[in-house]
Amino acid sequence: DGGITQSPKYLFRKEGQNVTLSCEQNLNHDAMYWYRQDPGQGLRLIYYSQIVNDFQKGDIAEGYSVSREKKESFPLTVTSAQKNPTAFYLCASSIGTEAFFGQGTRLTVV
Amino acid sequence: QKEVEQNSGPLSVPEGAIASLNCTYSDRVSQSFFWYRQYSGKSPELIMSIYSNGDKEDGRFTAQLNKASQYVSLLIRDSQPSDSATYLCAAAARDTGRRALTFGSGTRLQVQP
Repeated sequence: DGGITQSPKYLFRKEGQNVTLSCEQNLNHDAMYWYRQDPGQGLRLIYYSQIVNDFQKGDIAEGYSVSREKKESFPLTVTSAQKNPTAFYLCASSIGTEAFFGQGTRLTVV
Repeated sequence: QKEVEQNSGPLSVPEGAIASLNCTYSDRVSQSFFWYRQYSGKSPELIMSIYSNGDKEDGRFTAQLNKASQYVSLLIRDSQPSDSATYLCAAAARDTGRRALTFGSGTRLQVQP
């Protein structure tokens, strides 16, 4: 089955810790994206990558980092510099401008 | 002005009625528009895309784009309780160097049995 897989589904982070969210796709899409969603709000763009070994900051990149070493993978690290990381994180990939999402990772700071 | 704006709702309609969801956009986004459905606690699912002025129909869904008014809408005919969800309007940036979509905050639809 083709699709986008995010893991883990739920993640708990202690204050001051870095955590990495995984995103893998087997759709052969060139572009991949990370969005953040807070309760009652739309999606805000964190980072995006249009080709391997290249990525750009989105609207809320501070406190986050990414890498794109393989076409299939686009992991997101939430660093300790991100002061309010509790949110629903969504990874997407696209062909053209139609984007398709993984099932999301819900991150909670404890 | 936000790039993509939606009324947060909730929009409540009786089962079998037509639900009309609306979205306005700024000049900073392009003419490519998308509607996503998001059930509570789940990820968004693409249900419609529209690229040119006019109407596009797919089953019970019709997307309408009016470029002159910078307005895009989604009509859901014969609404069912299973249509109860948040509907997100999204647009591609006019700057083609950034292909990532910009999203509205979503409209919550409630279909009453």
